[in-house]
Amino acid sequence: AQTVTQSQPEMSVQEAETVTLSCTYDTSESDYYLFWYKQPPSRQMILVIRQEAYKQQNATENRFSVNFQKAAKSFSLKISDSQLGDAAMYFCAYRRLRAGGTSYGKLTFGQGTILTVHP
Amino acid sequence: EADIYQTPRYLVIGTGKKITLECSQTMGHDKMYWYQQDPGMELHLIHYSYGVNSTEKGDLSSESTVSRIRTEHFPLTLESARPSHTSQYLCASSEKFIPGVTDTQYFGPGTRLTVL
Repeated sequence: AQTVTQSQPEMSVQEAETVTLSCTYDTSESDYYLFWYKQPPSRQMILVIRQEAYKQQNATENRFSVNFQKAAKSFSLKISDSQLGDAAMYFCAYRRLRAGGTSYGKLTFGQGTILTVHP
Repeated sequence: EADIYQTPRYLVIGTGKKITLECSQTMGHDKMYWYQQDPGMELHLIHYSYGVNSTEKGDLSSESTVSRIRTEHFPLTLESARPSHTSQYLCASSEKFIPGVTDTQYFGPGTRLTVL
């Protein structure tokens, strides 16, 4: 079974600074997807960034980028120029490419990291 | 934000009551999911659906049931609520799987359920 581990229950960063959130996963699969989701307090969970395992290039979305190390099974999220609106709980998630004969898109989530942004 | 809706957003109810949590999406997505999330904890999949008349149980055992009579609607029902059901319930949907295309899940705002 796949597992996702976020070893940092809480992180904090000063506004405009850079912070990196860690995520490791365990899988015997070679093809899969990885995601970072953001869940602001009392608000909807939204996708931040995603990475296909077969792509060697690290995904980037504006101020958000990942460091994907497939051999080490590591998938960290870097937030540059942090803003107050980045404060949220961040979840790392894993999805197999396929599940049996039908891919139903099951996501396995990590425990989450609460990010606090200080003005 | 995605077009996926959940009602009610908050529900406080007594033990033994029957409740239905509603989830609707207007994106025409084939696949829908229900997750349970305790405060500050990870999400656990409790139900999912490939499409109309298709439902399966997820990884976490749940006393709830679901139905999928229409593509856009995926309600979750608890026949007899108990305090142990107190949690947040998140609904999500994604497109039909297409090889080579990541079928991202879009989440609703959640229903925070408290059973007294």
